[in-house]
Amino acid sequence: GQNIDQPTEMTATEGAIVQINCTYQTSGFNGLFWYQQHAGEAPTFLSYNVLDGLEEKGRFSSFLSRSKGYSYLLLKELQMKDSASYLCAVSPTPSGGYQKVTFGIGTKLQVIP
Amino acid sequence: ETGVTQTPRHLVMGMTNKKSLKCEQHLGHNAMYWYKQSAKKPLELMFVYNFKEQTENNSVPSRFSPECPNSSHLFLHLHTLQPEDSALYLCASSQDSGREEFFGPGTRLTVL
Repeated sequence: GQNIDQPTEMTATEGAIVQINCTYQTSGFNGLFWYQQHAGEAPTFLSYNVLDGLEEKGRFSSFLSRSKGYSYLLLKELQMKDSASYLCAVSPTPSGGYQKVTFGIGTKLQVIP
Repeated sequence: ETGVTQTPRHLVMGMTNKKSLKCEQHLGHNAMYWYKQSAKKPLELMFVYNFKEQTENNSVPSRFSPECPNSSHLFLHLHTLQPEDSALYLCASSQDSGREEFFGPGTRLTVL
């Protein structure tokens, strides 16, 4: 099975940097997703890490360590519009047929002036 | 229209009613999903259709009944629901299972 842990809430200041951590224990692992979900809206895809290391995409970066079962999402130059929930999700080892992605509870980030 | 669409956006129903949620994707994807999102809980996968075949039924009560008539459309038929079924129901699609998922705006369901 899959177990995903991430903090439920975080607060950060506009213009600052924030790191949202995610740890996972899985019976099989292929990659890790990060999604952003604004209140009352659908989740939208941010990143997908398969290999160890940091992947940068504008103000957002995502890091993965497969050996440690650990990922983080790094948000730089925070803006008020970044206030949202950030969902960590794990994709299992492909084994033919359907691969079920499992979501964490999400981290609600509040950006304050 | 592009992306994943869902109707209705809001639904209030009594416990004896029968209603259906509709999802449509215009992305040419092969997999479609129904999720339930409740406050303070992770997204709960309910059903998966991969190439129009149901591949996952995550121990969902029979009062929820999915239907996938073709690869672009997905329905969730509801009957004799309970108040605890009140939640946001999200539809999603992906090119294949285990890939990036595109979500619809959701249906906010309230069961009285």
